[in-house]
Amino acid sequence: DGGITQSPKYLFRKEGQNVTLSCEQNLNHDAMYWYRQDPGQGLRLIYYSQIVNDFQKGDIAEGYSVSREKKESFPLTVTSAQKNPTAFYLCASSIRSRDRVNTEAFFGQGTRLTVV
Amino acid sequence: GQQLNQSPQSMFIQEGEDVSMNCTSSSIFNTWLWYKQDPGEGPVLLIALYKAGELTSNGRLTAQFGITRKDSFLNISASIPSDVGIYFCAGRGTGNQFYFGTGTSLTVIP
Repeated sequence: DGGITQSPKYLFRKEGQNVTLSCEQNLNHDAMYWYRQDPGQGLRLIYYSQIVNDFQKGDIAEGYSVSREKKESFPLTVTSAQKNPTAFYLCASSIRSRDRVNTEAFFGQGTRLTVV
Repeated sequence: GQQLNQSPQSMFIQEGEDVSMNCTSSSIFNTWLWYKQDPGEGPVLLIALYKAGELTSNGRLTAQFGITRKDSFLNISASIPSDVGIYFCAGRGTGNQFYFGTGTSLTVIP
């Protein structure tokens, strides 16, 4: 079945360690996104990528890094520079319409990261 | 970054009642999306709207793209217990980013 797979679902790390969250999609979507969700809040954009080997910072990119070496994969690294990394992280991808503008965004199941 | 104003923040309703929620923006959008999120899961797309004035239904759900292109509405008719969750609106302007509302938490009392 086609979809977006995030792994792992739960992740625990010690403070000061970098950690990488996986996001894979087999929908043949060009665009991929990473969002952060905190309790009682909406989704805030961390990074997004429109094509392979290209990505742009979102609203809260500080302390995060990404790569887009393959169309199917968009891993997110939470670095030790991120001051408050404990959160629910969501990956999404979207298709492009004929006018080359993204349409709907489809989400993975999320990764809950807890830093202790 | 831009966040959309979504209201109400939370709703407690009796099973069988209708539900209405809305989302407003200070900017014009070309696409409005509505999602439902269950606890600990990713948001699931419910309805997508692409034209000002568009009215689209998905079962008991109906959403409208406001004619000003700065707002959108979601209605749920005859609510049932499985409608419980958080509903998010999202909008896209001329760029490639999706902006999300702060969510409406829906509780359905049997």
